[in-house]
Amino acid sequence: ELKVEQNPLFLSMQEGKNYTIYCNYSTTSDRLYWYRQDPGKSLESLFVLLSNGAVKQEGRLMASLDTKARLSTLHITAAVHDLSATYFCAVDTGNQFYFGTGTSLTVIP
Amino acid sequence: DAMVIQNPRYQVTQFGKPVTLSCSQTLNHNVMYWYQQKSSQAPKLLFHYYDKDFNNEADTPDNFQSRRPNTSFCFLDIRSPGLGDAAMYLCATSRDTRGLTGEQYFGPGTRLTVT
Repeated sequence: ELKVEQNPLFLSMQEGKNYTIYCNYSTTSDRLYWYRQDPGKSLESLFVLLSNGAVKQEGRLMASLDTKARLSTLHITAAVHDLSATYFCAVDTGNQFYFGTGTSLTVIP
Repeated sequence: DAMVIQNPRYQVTQFGKPVTLSCSQTLNHNVMYWYQQKSSQAPKLLFHYYDKDFNNEADTPDNFQSRRPNTSFCFLDIRSPGLGDAAMYLCATSRDTRGLTGEQYFGPGTRLTVT
């Protein structure tokens, strides 16, 4: 069974700081997605990564994919309070779609 | 705007009383999914339709059923809700030509409470 693990599960960081969330998965895949979820709300698509070496950036967030290492990262630059949410990666193997464990991010003023 | 719509947004049902949640989409996507998400957990796939083909996850309880009468609509039926079925239910759609999955677009969710 495919395992998708995120690290850390909980992250508390100060405004203005940088940090990286990691998403490791256990099988071959070249498609990975990042979603954001605010409390009590649905999932919002952030990034779609479709090949090895893919890098996408939107505002203070940047996502990358290394399919050889089976690793994706979500880098946060100069965090602001509005980024507080839970972030999920999801791995697409073509016939399976698995969410990671989620990372709950709290940005402290 | 093209979107995924779920109704109702909040549903309260009694223990054992059947309930139906609905999802509609204007994206004309061929794949529709139902997920269950409990507090502080990742969404868990219950089943999906690839066009009219129904695919049930192995560990989805028999208590959960689904219908897709046409491309735009999909329903989740819970035949006898238990307290453990209280959760957020998320509908999602995708269009994929290569395989079974692709970028998924999520509806706002239905929060189900079982009393």
